[in-house]
Amino acid sequence: DSGVTQTPKHLITATGQRVTLRCSPRSGDLSVYWYQQSLDQGLQFLIQYYNGEERAKGNILERFSAQQFPDLHSELNLSSLELGDSALYFCASSRTSGPSGGQFFGPGTRLTVL
Amino acid sequence: GESVGLHLPTLSVQEGDNSIINCAYSNSASDYFIWYKQESGKGPQFIIDIRSNMDKRQGQRVTVLLNKTVKHLSLQIAATQPGDSAVYFCAEQGNDYKLSFGAGTTVTVRA
Repeated sequence: DSGVTQTPKHLITATGQRVTLRCSPRSGDLSVYWYQQSLDQGLQFLIQYYNGEERAKGNILERFSAQQFPDLHSELNLSSLELGDSALYFCASSRTSGPSGGQFFGPGTRLTVL
Repeated sequence: GESVGLHLPTLSVQEGDNSIINCAYSNSASDYFIWYKQESGKGPQFIIDIRSNMDKRQGQRVTVLLNKTVKHLSLQIAATQPGDSAVYFCAEQGNDYKLSFGAGTTVTVRA
């Protein structure tokens, strides 16, 4: 158990819908990272927050948005869902503003868009 | 954009032998590299990292080597065990803090 929690574990929804994925980092970790993993695209970095502020942006679509709250938990919002958004979404956390020193992944949320 | 890639998608290793997993990167501005391990049905696991001002870094049974001249990164696993069977990813990070991942190498340990 990495100490990072993600909810829900599974999510099934329809095209055009909007969903919210939630992540709680390990106690004391200030950075939260979001990743998407699909069979055809592999592991893709989406976005990173550090202590409530956006730190780095990767291949995140405009239909997707994220935020980190004062209690350091984070949410990833996916809207106008398409079939191609079906994937595993991982959250990770680290103590500092970068992965150096250790980055810990949650179990993931499996999103299925029908 | 630039990407990180791996030389081989699969690697079969005899238990007890040493494993070497390779990764080539193309962004010469990348200054930080990470190796991850992902077991079936689980999230990635951070194994070891290295900064561009280093050539080698050792962990527990793992060593990462960085050759900046040819933009090559490798992960060596000593005395490979069945629990080392997994997909291994390398990742690079530049000064924009974005992480780019390779496609992954699936390591299978033979008993």
